[in-house]
Amino acid sequence: VQLLESGGGLVQTGGSLRLSCAGSGFVFSSYAMSWVRQAPGRGLEWVSSIGTTGADTYSADSVKGRFSISRDNSKNTLYMQMNNLRAEDTAVYYCAKDEPWGGCRSATCLFDSWGQGTLVTVSS
Amino acid sequence: DIQMTQSPSSLSASVGDRVTITCRASQSIGRYLNWYQQKVGEAPKVLIYAASTLQRGVPSRFSGGGSGTEFTLTISGLQPEDFATYYCQQTYTTPRFGGGTKVEIK
Repeated sequence: VQLLESGGGLVQTGGSLRLSCAGSGFVFSSYAMSWVRQAPGRGLEWVSSIGTTGADTYSADSVKGRFSISRDNSKNTLYMQMNNLRAEDTAVYYCAKDEPWGGCRSATCLFDSWGQGTLVTVSS
Repeated sequence: DIQMTQSPSSLSASVGDRVTITCRASQSIGRYLNWYQQKVGEAPKVLIYAASTLQRGVPSRFSGGGSGTEFTLTISGLQPEDFATYYCQQTYTTPRFGGGTKVEIK
């Protein structure tokens, strides 16, 4: 399994960015996917998840209305559209693949594979 | 939202020590609890899922226990490569991580 994020960079407060995560080595369309971020020196924060077809999405309150998760299964790629960026959105953003362990009935069960992360810096 | 509280937030230990980290959920989450290890500059890595199931390839000195609202991660015989930050995560509802426990060398 490989997950490769791209699209991070420096953006001004109020600006937009689109992150991408290309998956390989697994049947991308069969797994829910998520974004997790980590601000400098801080802990992990779940951001958003999407089901296998893209019809079901879930986001943290901190990004609702500003960030939008989507996927293109024909391209094996996960996206995060980030609008109206704030300084507190500065973080390394990881994409993660879900693994529905036996007996799990949740929309997401376990983040078993992670990308290397892409840094988003929001500055005025 | 279910809150996840880890303790301690940091600890110092020696190679060979037995270390236990606790994670408490603000309401019952059954066994929907995962543990991750993160080293500086790296992505997190799964250690334990479903509260007590060891991820393939993870050394057996790592073990997890608990259910409901209280969970533990135990490292039996700390090794130099185990100095890292550990996070619990609930997936009973929308995922949430604990604040992390940094394990440092004494």
